[in-house]
Amino acid sequence: KAGVTQTPRYLIKTRGQQVTLSCSPISGHRSVSWYQQTPGQGLQFLFEYFSETQRNKGNFPGRFSGRQFSNSRSEMNVSTLELGDSALYLCASSLESNEKLFFGSGTQLSVL
Amino acid sequence: GEDVEQSLFLSVREGDSSVINCTYTDSSSTYLYWYKQEPGAGLQLLTYIFSNMDMKQDQRLTVLLNKKDKHLSLRIADTQTGDSAIYFCAVPRRTGRRALTFGSGTRLQVQP
Repeated sequence: KAGVTQTPRYLIKTRGQQVTLSCSPISGHRSVSWYQQTPGQGLQFLFEYFSETQRNKGNFPGRFSGRQFSNSRSEMNVSTLELGDSALYLCASSLESNEKLFFGSGTQLSVL
Repeated sequence: GEDVEQSLFLSVREGDSSVINCTYTDSSSTYLYWYKQEPGAGLQLLTYIFSNMDMKQDQRLTVLLNKKDKHLSLRIADTQTGDSAIYFCAVPRRTGRRALTFGSGTRLQVQP
């Protein structure tokens, strides 16, 4: 069974641009969560989607948004990029009946 | 809000046991997790324990949970150089069981 797939693996953007990251969950997993990992703040929860609806949200500004499609694939978008948005963005999926999270390898975003 | 604390660094010799500790302030009654992260990689679900258990053993891994003291530990028996990585304790928030609060991670260095 394929794991959680995140694309692209690396991204370089400049301040003010926007970016879209993609996540394909494990087959059969309908819950997708997003996390940000930085050296300073560590791992922080961004949001969770289930059945195309945002079910939970962390403490991030409105520049961070996401969506989920009917096939459970998810995207997250960051608009008006800031230097501090440079991070590893991790996606995780889980079954609805079992809350254990399985993570992808992440997208490393560098904002210059 | 929830807070999860871990020591930052642990160094052991190959073949010794490693014990990584974690304390948390609050959690919903559900699973508590240990994740492993190797350089340049995502998070690997290493093991977990359900909140109504005191101990769980999984091959070389033993998880101990003291709910009264809100203390979680991970013991790795016969530590190998391949165990060198960062280990994260993760606790679900009360706002959502897939919204995890992570510790800062413990870097385990295994010396040959």
